[in-house]
Amino acid sequence: LAKTTQPISMDSYEGQEVNITCSHNNIATNDYITWYQQFPSQGPRFIIQGYKTKVTNEVASLFIPADRKSSTLSLPRVSLSDTAVYYCLVGDPHSNYQLIWGAGTKLIIKP
Amino acid sequence: DTEVTQTPKHLVMGMTNKKSLKCEQHMGHRAMYWYKQKAKKPPELMFVYSYEKLSINESVPSRFSPECPNSSLLNLHLHALQPEDSALYLCASSQEGGRVNQPQHFGDGTRLSIL
Repeated sequence: LAKTTQPISMDSYEGQEVNITCSHNNIATNDYITWYQQFPSQGPRFIIQGYKTKVTNEVASLFIPADRKSSTLSLPRVSLSDTAVYYCLVGDPHSNYQLIWGAGTKLIIKP
Repeated sequence: DTEVTQTPKHLVMGMTNKKSLKCEQHMGHRAMYWYKQKAKKPPELMFVYSYEKLSINESVPSRFSPECPNSSLLNLHLHALQPEDSALYLCASSQEGGRVNQPQHFGDGTRLSIL
């Protein structure tokens, strides 16, 4: 089974850019990388998804190197409300359905 | 506001009770999912319905029984649960059946406590 590895926790300050890196050495050729955000007592929320190079939307950017064995979620100018757990997901190469969720990164933003 | 609605938000039940969790989405999505999430852990996939048919059962014990009455509704019937089944149960949907690398929309879950 593919595995993803993320830092357990990170701290930053309001207004800073935050980069969270996920390692996924066994990513399958056709699989995408997806990031979700989860606040306490809520379901995860989709942030961004990408296959290669760089993807940007209104809330984040996703950087994926050519070998696709890692990805970096970039949150520009974070605020206190960005304090949450961030999950990195990739498709399992042995199953059409099973996603492998990372353990999640607890991001704490300080004033 | 979430586009996937789960009821109830909280449920406390004894080990001999029978209860059901409900999930509803009106986005026209054709794939729906049940997940179980323990504290400080990522969600664990339980079941996947694709075009109203059960397509994945991740070796879930038979005391959990899913049902998809139509494309908008998903139920999870519970019977004879164990204390270790206490968790947050999440429902999600995605636009099409197939690989779950499609963005999923999650409800806010049902917090289940087994006495």
